[in-house]
Amino acid sequence: QQKVQQSPESLIVPEGGMASLNCTSSDRNVDYFWWYRQHSGKSPKMLMSIFSNGEKEEGRFTVHLNKASLHTSLHIRDSQPSDSALYLCAARGSALGRLHFGAGTQLIVIP
Amino acid sequence: GGIITQTPKFLIGQEGQKLTLKCQQNFNHDTMYWYRQDSGKGLRLIYYSITENDLQKGDLSEGYDASREKKSSFSLTVTSAQKNEMAVFLCASSRDRGEQYFGPGTRLTVL
Repeated sequence: QQKVQQSPESLIVPEGGMASLNCTSSDRNVDYFWWYRQHSGKSPKMLMSIFSNGEKEEGRFTVHLNKASLHTSLHIRDSQPSDSALYLCAARGSALGRLHFGAGTQLIVIP
Repeated sequence: GGIITQTPKFLIGQEGQKLTLKCQQNFNHDTMYWYRQDSGKGLRLIYYSITENDLQKGDLSEGYDASREKKSSFSLTVTSAQKNEMAVFLCASSRDRGEQYFGPGTRLTVL
C-alpha cells in the first residue's frame, strides 16, 4: 500500500477558479511535506514545503498541514492555464535519506 | 546554485540488453536518488545512496543495479531490458533529507 495517498487523481478547473489538492500519509513518523510541480516533459520542481501545523501562503498558492491527521492540502487560487501540470506530494518519514512520493494529481486549467 | 546532468537524454535498447544511465551533480549533496516514472504517473524509487559507496534499495530495485563511485556521480544499470518498456528515469540529489533537486531525465525505449 502507498504510504502517501493523493486525491483527486485528476482535476479540471476553469481559468480564474480555485484548485484544491489533497495528500495524506500513513507513516506516523512523517515530519515534513513537500509539494512538487511537474509540467509535461519536464522534471519535478519543488513548489512549497511545510512542517508546522497551520498554513503557509506564497502568492496564489496556499498549503495547509494538519499534523494530527498527517494531511496536507495545496490550494491554488486564480488558476492559470500555466498551472496545468502533475502535482506530486512527498513526505519525509522514518527512513534515513528517502522521501515517499504520492501518485500525483493531474491538474488541467481550462481557458 | 547547482545543476544535475543525466546522460544520455534518450536511450534505445534491445530486449535483454544491459543498459547504463549516468548522473552527475555539482550541488555537493550527500544523497542521490534514482526514480522511474511511467507516463503521467508518480515517481517510484529504485535506489538511493546517502554517501559515496553506499547503496539503499528502494521500492523497485529488482531488475536494476546501481553504483555510487564518488560523491558527485550515481549510475543506474538496467540488467536486462524488457521488450516494449518505456519510461523516464529521473536522478535527484539532496542535502541530508531535505528538498530534492531533479535532473532532466533519461527517456528509455526498448524495442
